Amino acid sequence: GAGVSQTPSNKVTEKGKYVELRCDPISGHTALYWYRQSLGQGPEFLIYFQGTGAADDSGLPNDRFFAVRPEGSVSTLKIQRTERGDSAVYLCASSLGAGAYNEQFFGPGTRLTVL
Amino acid sequence: ELKVEQNPLFLSMQEGKNYTIYCNYSTTSDRLYWYRQDPGKSLESLFVLLSNGAVKQEGRLMASLDTKARLSTLHITAAVHDLSATYFCAGWGAQKLVFGQGTRLTINP
Repeated sequence: GAGVSQTPSNKVTEKGKYVELRCDPISGHTALYWYRQSLGQGPEFLIYFQGTGAADDSGLPNDRFFAVRPEGSVSTLKIQRTERGDSAVYLCASSLGAGAYNEQFFGPGTRLTVL
Repeated sequence: ELKVEQNPLFLSMQEGKNYTIYCNYSTTSDRLYWYRQDPGKSLESLFVLLSNGAVKQEGRLMASLDTKARLSTLHITAAVHDLSATYFCAGWGAQKLVFGQGTRLTINP
Protein backbone atom coordinates (compact mmCIF):
# COMPACT_ATOMS: atom_id res chain seq x y z
CA GLY A 1 0.00 0.00 0.00
CA ALA A 2 0.91 3.66 -0.17
CA GLY A 3 3.22 5.17 2.37
CA VAL A 4 2.84 8.43 4.27
CA SER A 5 2.28 11.32 1.90
CA GLN A 6 2.66 15.03 2.54
CA THR A 7 1.56 18.03 0.56
CA PRO A 8 2.82 20.36 -0.64
CA SER A 9 6.39 19.14 -1.05
CA ASN A 10 7.61 22.74 -1.06
CA LYS A 11 5.97 25.88 0.25
CA VAL A 12 7.37 29.38 -0.07
CA THR A 13 5.55 32.11 1.80
CA GLU A 14 6.10 35.60 3.06
CA LYS A 15 6.64 36.57 6.65
CA GLY A 16 3.34 37.07 8.41
CA LYS A 17 1.30 34.77 6.18
CA TYR A 18 -0.70 31.70 7.21
CA VAL A 19 0.20 28.23 5.94
CA GLU A 20 -1.28 24.76 6.15
CA LEU A 21 0.70 21.57 5.71
CA ARG A 22 -1.10 18.29 5.09
CA CYS A 23 -0.22 14.73 6.05
CA ASP A 24 -1.92 11.55 4.81
CA PRO A 25 -0.87 8.64 7.03
CA ILE A 26 -0.75 4.99 6.10
CA SER A 27 -4.28 3.58 6.08
CA GLY A 28 -5.17 2.04 9.42
CA HIS A 29 -2.45 3.81 11.38
CA THR A 30 -3.99 5.38 14.46
CA ALA A 31 -0.95 7.34 15.64
CA LEU A 32 0.36 10.32 13.72
CA TYR A 33 3.40 12.45 14.56
CA TRP A 34 4.70 15.80 13.35
CA TYR A 35 8.40 16.70 13.50
CA ARG A 36 10.36 19.75 12.41
CA GLN A 37 13.83 19.40 10.95
CA SER A 38 15.94 22.53 10.68
CA LEU A 39 18.91 22.61 8.35
CA GLY A 40 21.72 20.40 9.59
CA GLN A 41 19.76 19.15 12.59
CA GLY A 42 17.86 16.05 13.59
CA PRO A 43 14.06 16.04 13.56
CA GLU A 44 12.41 17.56 16.63
CA PHE A 45 9.06 16.39 17.92
CA LEU A 46 6.14 18.80 17.63
CA ILE A 47 2.91 16.93 18.36
CA TYR A 48 1.34 13.51 18.15
CA PHE A 49 -2.22 12.28 17.73
CA GLN A 50 -3.77 9.06 18.87
CA GLY A 51 -6.93 8.91 16.80
CA THR A 52 -8.51 12.34 16.60
CA GLY A 53 -7.07 13.79 19.77
CA ALA A 54 -3.71 15.43 20.33
CA ALA A 55 -2.11 13.19 22.93
CA ASP A 56 1.00 15.32 23.35
CA ASP A 57 1.53 18.79 21.91
CA SER A 58 4.46 19.69 24.12
CA GLY A 59 6.79 20.22 21.17
CA LEU A 60 4.80 22.98 19.52
CA PRO A 61 7.06 26.03 19.84
CA ASN A 62 4.33 28.62 20.50
CA ASP A 63 0.67 29.37 19.96
CA ARG A 64 1.17 30.23 16.30
CA PHE A 65 1.38 26.49 15.65
CA PHE A 66 -1.69 24.30 15.71
CA ALA A 67 -2.54 20.87 14.32
CA VAL A 68 -5.77 18.98 13.78
CA ARG A 69 -6.83 15.50 12.82
CA PRO A 70 -10.62 15.73 12.76
CA GLU A 71 -11.47 12.27 11.42
CA GLY A 72 -8.52 10.36 12.79
CA SER A 73 -6.77 10.07 9.45
CA VAL A 74 -5.48 13.14 7.57
CA SER A 75 -3.78 15.77 9.70
CA THR A 76 -3.11 19.42 9.01
CA LEU A 77 -0.38 21.47 10.66
CA LYS A 78 -1.30 25.13 10.69
CA ILE A 79 1.14 27.99 11.23
CA GLN A 80 -0.12 31.52 11.72
CA ARG A 81 1.86 34.73 11.22
CA THR A 82 4.85 32.84 9.86
CA GLU A 83 8.33 33.99 10.80
CA ARG A 84 11.64 33.41 9.02
CA GLY A 85 12.67 31.10 11.85
CA ASP A 86 9.82 28.76 10.93
CA SER A 87 11.70 27.79 7.76
CA ALA A 88 12.42 24.07 8.01
CA VAL A 89 11.34 20.69 6.71
CA TYR A 90 8.19 19.48 8.42
CA LEU A 91 8.02 15.70 8.62
CA CYS A 92 5.00 13.58 9.35
CA ALA A 93 5.12 9.97 10.54
CA SER A 94 2.46 7.41 11.30
CA SER A 95 2.37 4.12 13.18
CA LEU A 96 -0.15 1.38 13.90
CA GLY A 97 -0.43 2.61 17.45
CA ALA A 98 1.34 4.90 19.82
CA GLY A 99 4.30 3.75 21.88
CA ALA A 100 7.81 2.46 21.43
CA TYR A 101 6.70 -0.91 20.08
CA ASN A 102 5.14 0.55 16.94
CA GLU A 103 7.53 1.55 14.19
CA GLN A 104 7.03 5.03 12.78
CA PHE A 105 7.00 5.44 9.02
CA PHE A 106 8.03 8.84 7.74
CA GLY A 107 6.67 10.88 4.88
CA PRO A 108 8.84 12.81 2.41
CA GLY A 109 8.35 16.09 4.26
CA THR A 110 7.25 19.59 3.34
CA ARG A 111 10.03 22.13 2.92
CA LEU A 112 8.73 25.47 4.21
CA THR A 113 10.60 28.65 3.32
CA VAL A 114 9.51 31.92 4.89
CA LEU A 115 10.90 34.95 3.09
CA GLU B 1 14.41 14.41 29.71
CA LEU B 2 16.11 12.22 27.17
CA LYS B 3 18.98 13.78 25.24
CA VAL B 4 20.78 12.05 22.39
CA GLU B 5 24.22 13.02 21.14
CA GLN B 6 26.08 11.67 18.16
CA ASN B 7 29.69 11.91 17.17
CA PRO B 8 31.27 12.67 14.93
CA LEU B 9 28.89 15.11 13.26
CA PHE B 10 30.85 15.00 10.01
CA LEU B 11 32.83 12.09 8.68
CA SER B 12 34.73 11.85 5.42
CA MET B 13 36.12 8.44 4.61
CA GLN B 14 37.74 6.60 1.79
CA GLU B 15 36.12 3.64 0.17
CA GLY B 16 37.21 0.36 1.68
CA LYS B 17 37.86 1.77 5.15
CA ASN B 18 36.04 0.95 8.39
CA TYR B 19 34.59 3.46 10.79
CA THR B 20 32.18 3.81 13.72
CA ILE B 21 29.53 6.39 14.57
CA TYR B 22 28.74 6.78 18.26
CA CYS B 23 25.40 7.60 19.86
CA ASN B 24 25.18 8.46 23.55
CA TYR B 25 21.90 9.00 25.35
CA SER B 26 21.22 10.52 28.72
CA THR B 27 18.47 8.45 30.34
CA THR B 28 16.83 5.09 29.94
CA SER B 29 15.38 4.46 26.50
CA ASP B 30 13.13 1.49 25.72
CA ARG B 31 14.79 1.04 22.39
CA LEU B 32 17.30 2.71 20.10
CA TYR B 33 16.79 3.43 16.42
CA TRP B 34 19.09 4.15 13.52
CA TYR B 35 17.89 5.99 10.41
CA ARG B 36 19.44 6.99 7.13
CA GLN B 37 18.57 10.22 5.32
CA ASP B 38 19.68 11.06 1.78
CA PRO B 39 19.76 14.73 0.74
CA GLY B 40 16.25 16.07 0.21
CA LYS B 41 14.69 12.77 1.23
CA SER B 42 12.90 11.48 4.28
CA LEU B 43 14.10 9.07 6.93
CA GLU B 44 14.67 5.42 6.16
CA SER B 45 14.64 3.04 9.10
CA LEU B 46 17.81 0.95 9.34
CA PHE B 47 17.79 -0.78 12.72
CA VAL B 48 15.77 -1.05 15.91
CA LEU B 49 17.76 -2.25 18.92
CA LEU B 50 15.64 -3.62 21.71
CA SER B 51 17.85 -4.71 24.56
CA ASN B 52 21.29 -4.63 26.09
CA GLY B 53 23.84 -6.40 23.94
CA ALA B 54 21.62 -6.34 20.84
CA VAL B 55 23.53 -6.46 17.58
CA LYS B 56 22.01 -6.18 14.13
CA GLN B 57 23.71 -6.29 10.76
CA GLU B 58 22.60 -5.42 7.27
CA GLY B 59 25.20 -5.52 4.54
CA ARG B 60 28.14 -3.32 5.49
CA LEU B 61 26.33 -1.75 8.47
CA MET B 62 26.25 -3.18 11.96
CA ALA B 63 24.53 -1.59 14.95
CA SER B 64 24.93 -2.47 18.61
CA LEU B 65 23.49 -1.34 21.91
CA ASP B 66 24.99 -1.14 25.41
CA THR B 67 22.23 0.04 27.73
CA LYS B 68 24.50 0.17 30.76
CA ALA B 69 26.84 2.61 29.04
CA ARG B 70 23.87 4.27 27.30
CA LEU B 71 25.75 3.91 24.05
CA SER B 72 24.90 2.64 20.61
CA THR B 73 27.32 2.31 17.73
CA LEU B 74 26.89 2.08 13.98
CA HIS B 75 29.88 0.38 12.39
CA ILE B 76 30.62 0.66 8.70
CA THR B 77 32.76 -2.03 7.16
CA ALA B 78 34.66 -1.57 3.89
CA ALA B 79 32.70 1.58 3.02
CA VAL B 80 31.33 2.10 -0.47
CA HIS B 81 30.21 5.35 -2.06
CA ASP B 82 26.50 4.56 -1.93
CA LEU B 83 26.61 4.61 1.87
CA SER B 84 27.13 8.38 1.72
CA ALA B 85 24.20 9.90 3.63
CA THR B 86 23.31 11.40 6.99
CA TYR B 87 22.75 8.87 9.75
CA PHE B 88 20.60 9.58 12.79
CA CYS B 89 20.16 7.68 15.99
CA ALA B 90 17.05 8.18 18.10
CA GLY B 91 15.89 7.06 21.51
CA TRP B 92 12.39 6.71 22.84
CA GLY B 93 11.52 9.09 25.65
CA ALA B 94 8.19 10.33 27.02
CA GLN B 95 6.15 8.78 24.22
CA LYS B 96 8.21 10.21 21.40
CA LEU B 97 11.36 9.76 19.35
CA VAL B 98 14.28 11.95 20.38
CA PHE B 99 16.88 12.30 17.65
CA GLY B 100 20.58 13.02 17.69
CA GLN B 101 22.04 15.76 15.54
CA GLY B 102 23.00 13.37 12.78
CA THR B 103 26.31 12.29 11.30
CA ARG B 104 26.94 13.40 7.75
CA LEU B 105 28.97 10.64 6.13
CA THR B 106 30.82 11.23 2.87
CA ILE B 107 32.63 8.32 1.26
CA ASN B 108 35.21 9.23 -1.33
CA PRO B 109 36.48 6.93 -4.06
